[in-house]
Amino acid sequence: GQNIDQPTEMTATEGAIVQINCTYQTSGFNGLFWYQQHAGEAPTFLSYNVLDGLEEKGRFSSFLSRSKGYSYLLLKELQMKDSASYLCAVPPGGQNFVFGPGTRLSVLP
Amino acid sequence: NAGVMQNPRHLVRRRGQEARLRCSPMKGHSHVYWYRQLPEEGLKFMVYLQKENIIDESGMPKERFSAEFPKEGPSILRIQQVVRGDSAAYFCASSPGTLKSNQPQHFGDGTRLSIL
Repeated sequence: GQNIDQPTEMTATEGAIVQINCTYQTSGFNGLFWYQQHAGEAPTFLSYNVLDGLEEKGRFSSFLSRSKGYSYLLLKELQMKDSASYLCAVPPGGQNFVFGPGTRLSVLP
Repeated sequence: NAGVMQNPRHLVRRRGQEARLRCSPMKGHSHVYWYRQLPEEGLKFMVYLQKENIIDESGMPKERFSAEFPKEGPSILRIQQVVRGDSAAYFCASSPGTLKSNQPQHFGDGTRLSIL
């Protein structure tokens, strides 16, 4: 079976750093994707990891450990507009995604 | 470059009616995916299509739901005899190839289906 787990909700303060964890157990692995989804809007692509290690892209970084089935998304210098759901997704067969439940992040002033 | 276009954005149907949701993929994309998102839940895969072919429909309910991606025109997700439990946001995504090539799927803005 396919299982992806994330915390349901997180809260952080503007300007702070937050780490959103994702653990996965899937029948196959072709990389791990992170998406951001604002309420009522389409998910938008944030990052992709296929090798172990950290990928940095501006204020956002994503880390992967394949041996541990673990990834995290790191958001620095939080802004109010970062309040959104963050979705961890794995395409086991290289085609459709299996999504985690999403982590709803609230950024407080 | 137009993104993935879905219409309508909002659709209201009464129980027993039919719902048709349309999706035009991004230019150059030949792979289309449909996902359903129930309130307060994650996205769940329904069906994966390429032009004129259903590749994987393992996430699609066996009854009342069907999907197509004709040679010409948009992909259509069709729900017959809708029930209250079909109320959800339906997202379409497209990609130029399989995700092994690290091409992310691009999502449309979704169709919010409400069943009265």
